Amino acid sequence: GAGVSQSPRYKVAKRGQDVALRCDPISGHVSLFWYQQALGQGPEFLTYFQNEAQLDKSGLPSDRFFAERPEGSVSTLKIQRTQQEDSAVYLCASSQGQNYGYTFGSGTRLTVV
Amino acid sequence: DQQVKQNSPSLSVQEGRISILNCDYTNSMFDYFLWYKKYPAEGPTFLISISSIKDKNEDGRFTVFLNKSAKHLSLHIVPSQPGDSAVYFCAASGINDYKLSFGAGTTVTVRA
Repeated sequence: GAGVSQSPRYKVAKRGQDVALRCDPISGHVSLFWYQQALGQGPEFLTYFQNEAQLDKSGLPSDRFFAERPEGSVSTLKIQRTQQEDSAVYLCASSQGQNYGYTFGSGTRLTVV
Repeated sequence: DQQVKQNSPSLSVQEGRISILNCDYTNSMFDYFLWYKKYPAEGPTFLISISSIKDKNEDGRFTVFLNKSAKHLSLHIVPSQPGDSAVYFCAASGINDYKLSFGAGTTVTVRA
């Protein structure tokens, strides 16, 4: 597609529920990033993929967070046993290479109740 | 540990006047700086960038100034237009670093 597509746009989860957030990057983009944006804050880095390899997951806040990109295209961010502090907008971005400009998707707004 | 700071959460400016957005950073290893613009319910979109070897970069109505010694950059929008009303994020990265560190954003409102 023309841009980075994320689904769902909005997700309401009950505390303790598992969620999966999907990202379709721009076709051919090697690099894929996940960022978390809490209310009133800037995006914060979560993890980075180069093709199917997860090269950096240093930003994942806990072991409840897991990301994958098995075929080097679509990526899924999974959050297990969601907590209220996980409520945020989750942004996916892709780029042609690690030093090229990002294109962000519109994000998934997760609300944990 | 907030390495990029935007100390003004909001800015209101009259249409046709100049908007000046400020950003400070603490990490001396940062060498590439970007501004992103974000409309509600959309992802951030790239606006303009500057590398540390320059002190100014201009693109149409948008100019970014970098003062490395002060660890400060600013974005000037001249003239401001109603469509410029959005949240603006300052971001920075180090040499060959793929991670961006973002500020908290400044909400710009352009009044007609």
